[in-house]
Amino acid sequence: NAGVTQTPKFRILKIGQSMTLQCTQDMNHNYMYWYRQDPGMGLKLIYYSVGAGITDKGEVPNGYNVSRSTTEDFPLRLELAAPSQTSVYFCASTIPEVPDTEAFFGQGTRLTVV
Amino acid sequence: TQLLEQSPQFLSIQEGENLTVYCNSSSVFSSLQWYRQEPGEGPVLLVTVVTGGEVKKLKRLTFQFGDARKDSSLHITAAQPGDTGLYLCAGSSGAQKLVFGQGTRLTINP
Repeated sequence: NAGVTQTPKFRILKIGQSMTLQCTQDMNHNYMYWYRQDPGMGLKLIYYSVGAGITDKGEVPNGYNVSRSTTEDFPLRLELAAPSQTSVYFCASTIPEVPDTEAFFGQGTRLTVV
Repeated sequence: TQLLEQSPQFLSIQEGENLTVYCNSSSVFSSLQWYRQEPGEGPVLLVTVVTGGEVKKLKRLTFQFGDARKDSSLHITAAQPGDTGLYLCAGSSGAQKLVFGQGTRLTINP
């Protein structure tokens, strides 16, 4: 099973450029999340979605946008890249209504803005 | 805003020693999870605790959920170099967003 797939794995952007980080899951999970992880730190929630057509802001949404047109896909958009957005980005999915369920993570996208 | 505070943030001990990592919040969570993350990988679930006062054991790891469901601890007995990694606690409240603590970076020296 593929689980959660993120693309690309690595990317270097110049300041002001834009890009979309792709995330897709094949587990039919309703809940999906985008996190960023700075070196040696924990995960900060950027945006999350509880189902197709529904998105909401997390702890650090500024500079990012998301959409959720299907259950499977949850892309993250950076419109004007800034050096502060250099980080590793993780997408995750889960079914929190199910007791003891775990969040499944993608392999991450390492983004550098120069 | 639900916040999870982990302590300590960094811990370096010798092989064979015991250690405890804490995860605290002022908010009540319906469940707390502990994840372990290796370099270059995403977090992987170790355990979920859902009942106040619950204790779960995973080999040399013991996880406890506070009675008030606001805090949790991870205790490792006789730590081994293979336990080295970033340990993250995460909490959710019902059908809410999943938030993480800042992590505890554990190093076990041979």
